[in-house]
Amino acid sequence: SAVISQKPSRDICQRGTSLTIQCQVDSQVTMMFWYRQQPGQSLTLIATANQGSEATYESGFVIDKFPISRPNLTFSTLTVSNMSPEDSSIYLCSVVGQGAGQPQHFGDGTRLSIL
Amino acid sequence: GEDVEQSLFLSVREGDSSVINCTYTDSSSTYLYWYKQEPGAGLQLLTYIFSNMDMKQDQRLTVLLNKKDKHLSLRIADTQTGDSAIYFCAEKKADYKLSFGAGTTVTVRA
Repeated sequence: SAVISQKPSRDICQRGTSLTIQCQVDSQVTMMFWYRQQPGQSLTLIATANQGSEATYESGFVIDKFPISRPNLTFSTLTVSNMSPEDSSIYLCSVVGQGAGQPQHFGDGTRLSIL
Repeated sequence: GEDVEQSLFLSVREGDSSVINCTYTDSSSTYLYWYKQEPGAGLQLLTYIFSNMDMKQDQRLTVLLNKKDKHLSLRIADTQTGDSAIYFCAEKKADYKLSFGAGTTVTVRA
């Protein structure tokens, strides 16, 4: 399966600032997604990162707050903008490899705390 | 209600079998997944089953799927302390999106 590297692995940020999280895959993948896992909760899909075009956001998530880029088939970034303590979560990148029936694999996540 | 439901906690003695249950709602789901999350870690794909299968076995893991009842279970044989984690059931929706259950926290006691 693809090796997924997320950076940073964790960060502590001041409210009002922004942080960009990177997701790098060691092979070309079909799909890339960004999920959020709030403390003690399950995973919620933020958006589908589309290569070369605007991301597709789920209900409750907007581009101004969570801008996403995907310039090629192996890399994507998620920015958490104008952060508040409510944004303290784990943010996870996931990918689906090329080929039929490929499962979805996750990176190790970025643990974000906002003070 | 939630698309995917799981019991929240399971306590099992070391060496016994663990069974984690899950129900889902979308009868058109083609794949169902089990992920494991250890403390401070990301999600590890444990196993998955295609919707036209009833059972899948992979070493200590057995997945049973009852498509009629939309019920999925994960059995872990000979449960070890390293199996203590949160286990998430997920169903594949359209466009590869996953809908997750709340997660079952499995505690293995000596």
